[in-house]
Amino acid sequence: KAGVTQTPRYLIKTRGQQVTLSCSPISGHRSVSWYQQTPGQGLQFLFEYFSETQRNKGNFPGRFSGRQFSNSRSEMNVSTLELGDSALYLCASSPGQHQETQYFGPGTRLLVL
Amino acid sequence: EDQVTQSPEALRLQEGESSSLNCSYTVSGLRGLFWYRQDPGKGPEFLFTLYSAGEEKEKERLKATLTKKESFLHITAPKPEDSATYLCAVGGGADGLTFGKGTHLIIQP
Repeated sequence: KAGVTQTPRYLIKTRGQQVTLSCSPISGHRSVSWYQQTPGQGLQFLFEYFSETQRNKGNFPGRFSGRQFSNSRSEMNVSTLELGDSALYLCASSPGQHQETQYFGPGTRLLVL
Repeated sequence: EDQVTQSPEALRLQEGESSSLNCSYTVSGLRGLFWYRQDPGKGPEFLFTLYSAGEEKEKERLKATLTKKESFLHITAPKPEDSATYLCAVGGGADGLTFGKGTHLIIQP
């Protein structure tokens, strides 16, 4: 089975711009979660989607949003980028709606200048 | 609010020198404890899931154990390729995972 894929792998943006990141889960997985990883804060939960519904969101401003499509693929969007948004953005998928193991993709490295 | 604390922050071992990494957690109800390995510039790679106190899982040179307050990742006779950051997390599902800051492990040949 192919793993979780994320595109693009690297991205450079300037302050004030917006960005959209994409995630394709493992085939058959219906839950997709997003995380932000920075050296200072470590891995932090952004939001989780199951069957196209956002079930929970972490402690991030409204500039961070996402959606999930009927094929379980997911996108996250960050508007009005700030320097502090520079991070590794990780997507993880799991089979269903319970506390199963999450499998991570390689991440998208975002640099905001 | 779930909390996870990992220790030590960094550990340097000689090849073949066994040791243990600690993960202490505080949760309202344990829904799962997860161990991941992360290499620089890559996403976390799944190692183990533990659900109840007393549970143990093994994979090659690694063994994870769980009590009501903490989990240990024991590494036996490590090799240089075991060098990585090891992450512990609790939660899952709609609540997302709460991660510790990780233990940066270096195995010297």
